[in-house]
Amino acid sequence: QSALTQPASVSGSPGQSITISCSGTNSDVGAFDYVSWYQQHPGKAPKLIIYNVFNRPSGISNRFSGSKSGNTAFLTISGLQADDEADYYCDSYTRSRPRVFGTGTGLTVL
Amino acid sequence: EVQLVQSGAVLKKPGESLKISCQGSGNSFVSSWIGWVRQKSGRGLDWMGFMYPGDSEIIYTPSFQGQVTISGDRSVSVFYLQWRSLKASDTAMYYCVRGGFDWGQGTLVTVSS
Repeated sequence: QSALTQPASVSGSPGQSITISCSGTNSDVGAFDYVSWYQQHPGKAPKLIIYNVFNRPSGISNRFSGSKSGNTAFLTISGLQADDEADYYCDSYTRSRPRVFGTGTGLTVL
Repeated sequence: EVQLVQSGAVLKKPGESLKISCQGSGNSFVSSWIGWVRQKSGRGLDWMGFMYPGDSEIIYTPSFQGQVTISGDRSVSVFYLQWRSLKASDTAMYYCVRGGFDWGQGTLVTVSS
């Protein structure tokens, strides 16, 4: 099974909102409400920012929000800040193997 | 607070064996799944396999089936990722993960002659 499809890069200016898509199939994203999103800064371990489609772990800013429509999940970051510049990965439970990551999206804050 | 502390970076030769570790602290390991993730060249994440709670069933993702061995002892919250014969293509950063919520700091494995 292939990785979930994400745009390679997105960009936005401070204060703006951006949305990253994560496209899967009816065997993964579309089949289960078990989509997570991770933020990874250079040289650091990934950090969970959204789980089960729209839930935020304790300590994660409400500027980060998740949603899903059909076979595609979305991560929206509002009020962009310089520190939001990072790589973002989605992840989903799947029917055929436990979990699969997205291809990753690099966010640039202009 | 849950923490995962992984063993240090290693340099190995092709064909050598290796076992890296992930030590957990806190009391959240009995009921959580533990996964291992590979990251090559700082970009792209790949799930390698999972150890599930209860009977500690281990499931490998197709790309890593037969290539690595996952093991662990939940009673002392220590988990392992093992290779019998390393290849240059195994050069990567490896992370252990608890339930998606907590990540180790990563172990850099370099395989070079």
